[in-house]
Amino acid sequence: GNSVTQMEGPVTLSEEAFLTINCTYTATGYPSLFWYVQYPGEGLQLLLKATKADDKGSNKGFEATYRKETTSFHLEKGSVQVSDSAVYFCALSSTAGNKLTFGGGTRVLVKP
Amino acid sequence: GAGVSQSPRYKVAKRGQDVALRCDPISGHVSLFWYQQALGQGPEFLTYFQNEAQLDKSGLPSDRFFAERPEGSVSTLKIQRTQQEDSAVYLCASSVRQGGTNTEAFFGQGTRLTVV
Repeated sequence: GNSVTQMEGPVTLSEEAFLTINCTYTATGYPSLFWYVQYPGEGLQLLLKATKADDKGSNKGFEATYRKETTSFHLEKGSVQVSDSAVYFCALSSTAGNKLTFGGGTRVLVKP
Repeated sequence: GAGVSQSPRYKVAKRGQDVALRCDPISGHVSLFWYQQALGQGPEFLTYFQNEAQLDKSGLPSDRFFAERPEGSVSTLKIQRTQQEDSAVYLCASSVRQGGTNTEAFFGQGTRLTVV
């Protein structure tokens, strides 16, 4: 079956530091890949997505590239802000289905 | 703006009680999903509706869990004879089209269920 593995947190960074959150997946076929973010007190929000190999998703300074050869979709941001403090979830949706399979989430705390 | 609305936000139930959780999706959204999120974990799929039809209920953990969407809009997730292991946040999501990997799902804030 489908599965998503992401690095455990919490990840604590200083403002303007570089952020990487690793995500690898197992899936049949050619899934679409997503990063969702959950800010304190809010619901899950789509951050970015990629639907085929070598696609790069980007939003709000975050980027992730769909790497089929390594089955990975690592999230990166070059210079984090305090407002980026949140829980980040990597997820996939299989070609045939509608449901999302999520990783366990990574809590990121950015200190001023 | 009108996002996905869930009620109640918090629910405390005594073990053995029945509970009903409500989801109001974004108006006009065809697809509706329920997920269960245990503390410190990622959401796990429970069930999926396309309009009023329940097309996938493979994630429901037991026959104590039941979901419905009778008119293709509001959905209710019912849990009978609640157990402590049912304690979790229950998330509802909706999307505008019938599935498809490019369709963005919009999530509600969830209902936090605590069974004591």
